[in-house]
Amino acid sequence: ETGVTQSPTHLIKTRGQQVTLRCSSQSGHNTVSWYQQALGQGPQFIFQYYREEENGRGNFPPRFSGLQFPNYSSELNVNALELDDSALYLCASSSGLNADTQYFGPGTRLTVL
Amino acid sequence: AQSVTQLDSQVPVFEEAPVELRCNYSSSVSVYLFWYVQYPNQGLQLLLKYLSGSTLVESINGFEAEFNKSQTSFHLRKPSVHISDTAEYFCAVSEIGGATNKLIFGTGTLLAVQP
Repeated sequence: ETGVTQSPTHLIKTRGQQVTLRCSSQSGHNTVSWYQQALGQGPQFIFQYYREEENGRGNFPPRFSGLQFPNYSSELNVNALELDDSALYLCASSSGLNADTQYFGPGTRLTVL
Repeated sequence: AQSVTQLDSQVPVFEEAPVELRCNYSSSVSVYLFWYVQYPNQGLQLLLKYLSGSTLVESINGFEAEFNKSQTSFHLRKPSVHISDTAEYFCAVSEIGGATNKLIFGTGTLLAVQP
């Protein structure tokens, strides 16, 4: 059984650029959630996708957007990057909206200069 | 809405000593409770969880946590720590039966085990 994978591992961008982060969910999982973890903080919920539809969103501006594909993999897109977007971005998958546990990938470290 | 408080940002402890990492939560609805561990430059790993039943839950590597509903706490304990337990520990909750199973995290506690 393959766990949650994310790519790339690290990424450096400049202010104003756009970035796409990718996540492959664990086998059999149809729900993907994205979290932002700033340095020294706990992860903050960005949004969740269930069967290709957004299902719930945290307190993040619209320039944070996402997609989920038929194979349940997912993308997180961030437009007009700001310095404060520098963080570890974590993807987590679960077997449904009512699943009690989410399983996390290793994360993508984004640095905005 | 839910919130999680981890009052200790850092807990230094000597190897083989006992440790307790504190977690308190606030919620108007029933929640599941979790402890996740994050080793340097890695993602989050599930350490243990409380869903229902016995209020004492255990992990395979010697950690345990006790759900106390009246005190809205879910403290993590280990009777004897190892150097390899050095990591950031996050307490989290999720709403039971909510529209999403999103996790609300505390700010984390760095467990620093010294020889």
